[in-house]
Formats: sequence, C-alpha cells, structure tokens
Amino acid sequence: AQSVTQLGSHVSVSEGALVLLRCNYSSSVPPYLFWYVQYPNQGLQLLLKYTSAATLVKGINGFEAEFKKSETSFHLTKPSAHMSDAAEYFCAVSYNQGGKLIFGQGTELSVKP
Amino acid sequence: DAGITQSPRHKVTETGTPVTLRCHQTENHRYMYWYRQDPGHGLRLIHYSYGVKDTDKGEVSDGYSVSRSKTEDFLLTLESATSSQTSVYFCAISGDNQPQHFGDGTRLSIL
Repeated sequence: AQSVTQLGSHVSVSEGALVLLRCNYSSSVPPYLFWYVQYPNQGLQLLLKYTSAATLVKGINGFEAEFKKSETSFHLTKPSAHMSDAAEYFCAVSYNQGGKLIFGQGTELSVKP
Repeated sequence: DAGITQSPRHKVTETGTPVTLRCHQTENHRYMYWYRQDPGHGLRLIHYSYGVKDTDKGEVSDGYSVSRSKTEDFLLTLESATSSQTSVYFCAISGDNQPQHFGDGTRLSIL
C-alpha cells in the first residue's frame, strides 16, 4: 500500500534562507508525486508534480523538488524564503495523475523576518 | 478556484441530524473526490466518483454516503452526524491524466 511521510510537522526559517521540506513515500510501483500548498482558510493549490519525466521538477513561486528513487524521496526546496511562503505544505502520491491521492500529514512553514 | 464551488462554506449542526454538502464543478471533469482534513492526518479520501452514478469508497467512508446524478454535482451526505465528523471537507476534481484541483472547503462543526 502506498504511504507518504513528511518529516517535521513544523519548519521555521528566516526570510532569505533555504527552504527544505522533506517527503518520503512508499510505493510498489512507480508513483506520481505532488506537492500542494494551503494558505489559511483556503483550499489546496498545486505547486508541482512528478510524472516520470525529468527527476528535477520546477513549480510555481520558485519551488522545485527532486525525485530520488533510490531514497524514495521527493523533497521540496526553495533557495530563498519569502514571507508569503508561510503556509502548510502537503506531499501526496498516486498511481496516476487523476487517481486517488494519498497525502502526508502536512508541514507548516513559518518564515521569520 | 478551477471552477469548483462548495456549499455551504460553514455549517454548525447537532449530533444526529442529517447533513448534505455539495460540490459543483463547471469544468466537465470526469473524476470528483471528497476528502476530510484533520490536524495531524493531512487529507483523507472519503469517497470518489469516476462518472455519473459511478462512485466508490475511500479510506474513511464509514458514516458517509455520496451521490452523483449529474456530471457537475457530487453530494456528500452524513446520514446521522456525529461529533467525530467535525472537520473541514474538501472537494477535488480532475480530468483524465490530470492532477486534482481543490475547492475552498466546507468547515463543519457538529455539537
């Protein structure tokens, strides 16, 4: 069965610092992987997706993620944090793009001035 | 957002009452999903639909039923609400081989 683990329920960084949000998955078949962002009192917005093409995936707002099969990881990074990046981030896995999503527990990102 | 409207956006009700949440889409997408979001659990799938009158259970389907009589509407019903069903409910839609897009959510409180 597929599962997703996000390491760290809360991550705090200073403005301008590197953002690293960790996601590990377990899947018996090559997965589709997604990162979503949720701002307060809003729905989830797709940041980026991995669909077995390039292993380094670029998304919106300067975020990117790298698929590492050997480590079963799909960590999300951004070189320089901005105050507007403060939100909750969810990693999710599926067998196909339109299929059922299995979500991680979420990581709340705080950005300090 | 992405042509998805959830209604109501907020609801407070009492234990034992029936509750129906509506998800309406204008994208003509085939797939529709209902999730619930609870602290520490991320989002968990309740039910999903892969076409009109075609639905299936998700991870946490007990106590919930769904119906889809038209492509654009997917209804989630709590036949007899319990306090454990207090949550934020999200609807999502997707087309074939497309990622899911989410509505703005319904905050449901059951007292």
